[in-house]
Amino acid sequence: QKEVEQDPGPLSVPEGAIVSLNCTYSNSAFQYFMWYRQYSRKGPELLMYTYSSGNKEDGRFTAQVDKSSKYISLFIRDSQPSDSATYLCAMSTMGAQKLVFGQGTRLTINP
Amino acid sequence: ETGVTQTPRHLVMGMTNKKSLKCEQHLGHNAMYWYKQSAKKPLELMFVYSLEERVENNSVPSRFSPECPNSSHLFLHLHTLQPEDSALYLCASSQDQGFRTGELFFGEGSRLTVL
Repeated sequence: QKEVEQDPGPLSVPEGAIVSLNCTYSNSAFQYFMWYRQYSRKGPELLMYTYSSGNKEDGRFTAQVDKSSKYISLFIRDSQPSDSATYLCAMSTMGAQKLVFGQGTRLTINP
Repeated sequence: ETGVTQTPRHLVMGMTNKKSLKCEQHLGHNAMYWYKQSAKKPLELMFVYSLEERVENNSVPSRFSPECPNSSHLFLHLHTLQPEDSALYLCASSQDQGFRTGELFFGEGSRLTVL
């Protein structure tokens, strides 16, 4: 079983839709949860960071962590064509020296 | 120059060639990383350097040889590669390894094709 599972998609939605991206994980010791966004021909960039459980909101983006279910989500409201990218979840344990990444979900927002 | 820069952006090499990838960070960070990104696979951590000392070697074949001469520069020396080594190689840096902020700063990557 992979430590982090992420549906690779591709996912295609119309502009303005609410997008839900998800990852599941198996290691209950994960404490730090991140979402990175990677545009085509670019490196990943940190989009959202959450410590432990709960929600975090930043503009149109909301990150949720449910540690009891070992499940994290990223919601994008009022999606825009500029949100078209690959979204990677990542997580780590306390004091870890590395992040464990999901496979990435390729998202396209159609005008 | 700002952020993390990688050169070359594209590299094609034969299985018997020797080449190097270069990474430079202008952020004053003290940890640098090499990741491999292949299609439909998660990012794979290859090497971690903290304060110029290697602290992680993720069972990477010896045909990949990292070098970190100072905290701003990182190299990946390549020799006798295999076609399955074709991938995007990403360099990243961070302020510390503890991931208290979770933020890695990535370069744009070097796209490697092995013929």
